[in-house]
Amino acid sequence: DGGITQSPKYLFRKEGQNVTLSCEQNLNHDAMYWYRQDPGQGLRLIYYSQIVNDFQKGDIAEGYSVSREKKESFPLTVTSAQKNPTAFYLCASSPTGGDYGQYFGPGTRLTVT
Amino acid sequence: RKEVEQDPGPFNVPEGATVAFNCTYSNSASQSFFWYRQDCRKEPKLLMSVYSSGNEDGRFTAQLNRASQYISLLIRDSKLSDSATYLCVGSSGYALNFGKGTSLLVTP
Repeated sequence: DGGITQSPKYLFRKEGQNVTLSCEQNLNHDAMYWYRQDPGQGLRLIYYSQIVNDFQKGDIAEGYSVSREKKESFPLTVTSAQKNPTAFYLCASSPTGGDYGQYFGPGTRLTVT
Repeated sequence: RKEVEQDPGPFNVPEGATVAFNCTYSNSASQSFFWYRQDCRKEPKLLMSVYSSGNEDGRFTAQLNRASQYISLLIRDSKLSDSATYLCVGSSGYALNFGKGTSLLVTP
């Protein structure tokens, strides 16, 4: 089955620790995206990548880092510099650009205490 | 000002009712528009694209009015399973701009 997988589904970390969220897709999509969603809020774009070995900052990139070494994979690292890391993190992919919509993985709920 | 704005609701409707959601967008350069559905604590799922000519998918009809910069979604014959949050989305280039969503509750 084609799709986007994110792991783990739930993640708990202590403040001050870096944590990496996994995102893998087998849809052969060029573009991949990371969003965060806070309760009662819309999705906010963290980073996106249009092609392997290239990525751009979104609206709220501070405290996050990404890599895109393979077309299928776009991991997100939440660093200790991120002031409010507790959130629902969603990875998405699209064939190219935004004209075709984006397809989301099941998300990772990160709780930092 | 948010790029995409929609009434958060909630809209409470009985089964079988027709319900309409509207949203407005501020970026006139937005090229493409979509409606997504998001169930509680789940990921958003693409419901349908929105075209100026209007498009229909079963009980769902979407419409785009570029002159007034609003998008609508009409759901006919509401089912209990339609209960969810509906996200209005505009696209400009690679970025999607998401509204905060409109909550729909369909009751028996």
